[in-house]
Amino acid sequence: GNSVTQMEGPVTLSEEAFLTINCTYTATGYPSLFWYVQYPGEGLQLLLKATKADDKGSNKGFEATYRKETTSFHLEKGSVQVSDSAVYFCALLSGSARQLTFGSGTQLTVLP
Amino acid sequence: DAGVIQSPRHEVTEMGQEVTLRCKPISGHDYLFWYRQTMMRGLELLIYFNNNVPIDDSGMPEDRFSAKMPNASFSTLKIQPSEPRDSAVYFCASSLGTSKANTGELFFGEGSRLTVL
Repeated sequence: GNSVTQMEGPVTLSEEAFLTINCTYTATGYPSLFWYVQYPGEGLQLLLKATKADDKGSNKGFEATYRKETTSFHLEKGSVQVSDSAVYFCALLSGSARQLTFGSGTQLTVLP
Repeated sequence: DAGVIQSPRHEVTEMGQEVTLRCKPISGHDYLFWYRQTMMRGLELLIYFNNNVPIDDSGMPEDRFSAKMPNASFSTLKIQPSEPRDSAVYFCASSLGTSKANTGELFFGEGSRLTVL
């Protein structure tokens, strides 16, 4: 079956630090990969996506590269801000599946 | 454009009472999903619809939970009778699919926080 494994949080960083949140997956076929972000008190929103191997998704300074050889989709940002404090979810959509498989989420706190 | 609209935003009720949560998806979206989020269990998919038809309800915890989508612009999630362990944030999400599959780009509402005393 499909599964997504994220690094456990919480992650606490100082402002302007480099961020990496690891995500690995198991899936049949060639999945599409996503990062969603949930700010406090809100629903999840799509942050970025990649639909095939070696694609790089990017948005708001965040990046993630679809690595088929390592079945990974790690989220990175070069310089985090306090406003990036949120929960980040990695997810996949495999083949003709009509529902996402989400990871457990990683809480990020950025301190000023 | 209006996003996914959920109501109520907060609900406090007593054990045994009926709870109805409501969702209006984004116009034109053909997929609708109900999720539940708790600290202990994370984000759980309860049920989803495609073109108003329930496709997979295997995530519905038990017979106390039911969901309907009478038309393309409205869905309800009902819990009867409610129990304290149902306390959670319930999210509705919608998306636009291709001819065969969901695109994976979900738009979430702000959630309904349910507390059952």
